[in-house]
Amino acid sequence: GESVGLHLPTLSVQEGDNSIINCAYSNSASDYFIWYKQESGKGPQFIIDIRSNMDKRQGQRVTVLLNKTVKHLSLQIAATQPGDSAVYFCAEKPYSGAGSYQLTFGKGTKLSVIP
Amino acid sequence: ETGVTQSPTHLIKTRGQQVTLRCSSQSGHNTVSWYQQALGQGPQFIFQYYREEENGRGNFPPRFSGLQFPNYSSELNVNALELDDSALYLCASSNRQSSYNSPLHFGNGTRLTVT
Repeated sequence: GESVGLHLPTLSVQEGDNSIINCAYSNSASDYFIWYKQESGKGPQFIIDIRSNMDKRQGQRVTVLLNKTVKHLSLQIAATQPGDSAVYFCAEKPYSGAGSYQLTFGKGTKLSVIP
Repeated sequence: ETGVTQSPTHLIKTRGQQVTLRCSSQSGHNTVSWYQQALGQGPQFIFQYYREEENGRGNFPPRFSGLQFPNYSSELNVNALELDDSALYLCASSNRQSSYNSPLHFGNGTRLTVT
């Protein structure tokens, strides 16, 4: 079946540097993508989302880039801080008509920030 | 604004037993979804409830069932527990009347251990 996956399972970044977390998706019918942050012992926390009619969206210190041609998604975190240490998941929402909020998640990338 | 709350936070059950997990959705949200997250994996969609009815289901057997109540809270019931049911069970809510592509807001989950 089609699924969302991540290129890198772990990422270590120096505090203050920028982080880039990558994600590949295979379902060309997906039209909505979300990045979640999950800290130990907690549920996934919404970071930023993007629709398939956009290729870039910015939030506070975060930017999501979408390349539909190669089915690639990335999350950029500017000036990474120790509080950014967590597992990051990309998720896609397959187009299935009205009524479904089913998200397909990848396995996640663990981001470790080195002080 | 009250977020998604789940109870209990941790639970230990014996194989063959039955378990009920509870979820209160975020205020203003009318749709509840349940996800199972095995250790080291991304969340897997179990099912979604809207207007007290199941209107979407993932690849989970019938012994996984649920309820949604008029106040939009929800229960997840699992019968005949198996060892592989050990996981973090996440509840997520959203507002179906808002944009079709609206992010799910997750609770912190219930950690179920089956022995």
